[in-house]
Formats: sequence, structure tokens, C-alpha cells
Amino acid sequence: DQQVKQNSPSLSVQEGRISILNCDYTNSMFDYFLWYKKYPAEGPTFLISISSIKDKNEDGRFTVFLNKSAKHLSLHIVPSQPGDSAVYFCAASGSGGSNYKLTFGKGTLLTVNP
Amino acid sequence: AAGVIQSPRHLIKEKRETATLKCYPIPRHDTVYWYQQGPGQDPQFLISFYEKMQSDKGSIPDRFSAQQFSDYHSELNMSSLELGDSALYFCASSSTKTGYNSPLHFGNGTRLTVT
Repeated sequence: DQQVKQNSPSLSVQEGRISILNCDYTNSMFDYFLWYKKYPAEGPTFLISISSIKDKNEDGRFTVFLNKSAKHLSLHIVPSQPGDSAVYFCAASGSGGSNYKLTFGKGTLLTVNP
Repeated sequence: AAGVIQSPRHLIKEKRETATLKCYPIPRHDTVYWYQQGPGQDPQFLISFYEKMQSDKGSIPDRFSAQQFSDYHSELNMSSLELGDSALYFCASSSTKTGYNSPLHFGNGTRLTVT
């Protein structure tokens, strides 16, 4: 039962254009969402997060949008750069208490072509 | 800035052997998490510790155990290794003192190969 779903295994965009990575979740108890970037042979690196009380969070070229009613979030990268090429994982946590563990999606491989 | 340190980076073991993976969290982080990532899979939560006490448990086999020590480093002990245990094992740490919504910071992982 995949509670966090990234339905696009891969995405290819041109340098300078916008990259949009999508993520859906099924557990309505999730209230904190994160995006991680992962290069081969390295651990996931935290990119940006959003709490369920917000619908948008922006950090430089990265913006995360959250649509709670649709249980959907997206990561926008503008402008995309070749160094952004990596696997992007969507992750979620919640349900309160000490339950801070993250549930991950399967990842989307982003390739930014020069 | 100091990051999460994992050792060893690579480990090759034979079936039925044991393995110990170590994790040194970011200083002043009070929570440690262990994740397992199989080939082409998403990281799967195994177990976590808060202030040296087990705080949550995921899909960790009974053959595996873990603990967090007084200096906050953690060890994942794996016994009776099976071929299917071959995976990347990530440790992550976070601080609850910065608030509930605190991102996890991951180490570079230990790649375990069981032959």
C-alpha cells in the first residue's frame, strides 16, 4: 500500500525551462511534506518542505505547492539547471505524537538537458 | 556544517553472517532513523530512536536490532543475513527542539551486499 505516490518515474526538461514534479498521497493524517533530492551514491538531501497549514512555500528556484483537498503536491523548479538532474523523492509525515518518520514515494528521475 | 556520518560505506557479507552498521547523527540532534532502500525502491522506514529510546518501528525484520548509545550514535545489527538484505541502508537524524516540523538529514548510506 503506497501511501505516497510519484506516478512519473522520469522527467526530462530543457535547461532554463520549468520542471514540475508531482506527488499524491492517500493518508489524510499526513501534515508535513518534504522534497528530497538524491544523487547516485549519496544520501537524500533535504530541499524544501511545506506544512499542511500552507498551500505554497518558496525557496529560491524551488516552490512547493500543496492542494490538501486533492491530496496532491508539486515541486516547481524554475529555471531548471543541468545540476538539478537527480532523483527527487516526495516524503510525508504526520499523525502527531512522536511519529516524525517519513514515508517516501518511489522517486522521479529528473534530467535537465543543456 | 557537520552531517550525518555512516560507516562503513560499503560492506560485503556472506549469507548467514552478521553485520553492524554505525551512524553518527548531527551534533545536538536527538532523533535517529534507519531506512532501507532496495534497488529501484523508495527508502523504507525500519526503526527510530528518540533520546536513546526506541520511538517507532517499521518494517524491520526480527533478525535486525538497533540501539542508540549515550553519545547518540546508533548501530543497526543484522544477523543471519539473507540475499534479500542487500540494499542501501540510510541513517537520518533530526532535532525535535526546532519544532515538530523538522526535516530529517540523511547520511550517505551503507551499501550492504550479501553473497
